[in-house]
Amino acid sequence: AQKITQTQPGMFVQEKEAVTLDCTYDTSDQSYGLFWYKQPSSGEMIFLIYQGSYDEQNATEGRYSLNFQKARKSANLVISASQLGDSAMYFCAMREASRTGTASKLTFGTGTRLQVTL
Amino acid sequence: GAGVSQTPSNKVTEKGKYVELRCDPISGHTALYWYRQSLGQGPEFLIYFQGTGAADDSGLPNDRFFAVRPEGSVSTLKIQRTERGDSAVYLCASSPPGTGGLNEQFFGPGTRLTVL
Repeated sequence: AQKITQTQPGMFVQEKEAVTLDCTYDTSDQSYGLFWYKQPSSGEMIFLIYQGSYDEQNATEGRYSLNFQKARKSANLVISASQLGDSAMYFCAMREASRTGTASKLTFGTGTRLQVTL
Repeated sequence: GAGVSQTPSNKVTEKGKYVELRCDPISGHTALYWYRQSLGQGPEFLIYFQGTGAADDSGLPNDRFFAVRPEGSVSTLKIQRTERGDSAVYLCASSPPGTGGLNEQFFGPGTRLTVL
């Protein structure tokens, strides 16, 4: 079963507008973390924002915010005031806490390609 | 400070050859991860190390793939008898020690492997 689903292969947004990138996830764990990464054409994975499953407030980092709806198992990324430099692939990922409390792997979605236009 | 570095940045090899890909994590990071990203896909987990030991190697596709981290720092991903389907970008990430294992992973620039 797919653990992270990103249903939008591509999105367009005009410069200075806001855009929402969708992400739904599947887990039976109570403790998990949700991440968004940006991957420009150069290929590096850039961390944007993190939401812990127990966090009551939606995470925000500058122009990025995460709309976390736990009951719906969704963790959508909202980018406000889009800039041309925001054009990139965006990946949603989940990390389930290991039973031993040590680090564990990220499971990624298939990504959404965002294109910011003038 | 220095981020995660990976060498080489590009590797072209012939089918059947052996390759080694190197990852230098951020200093002090105890966890190190290898992922593989095929064209148009998200990264897929291969293996991760906690210190020197492989804590989870469930993502390695078959026994041609092997990874080591002998001193708990640098790691090498080794692929024997390469196949054209191994062509992908191999990403390395590291994360600092912390509780619950929910720390951010910092990614390197990747090694693009092309098997002809």
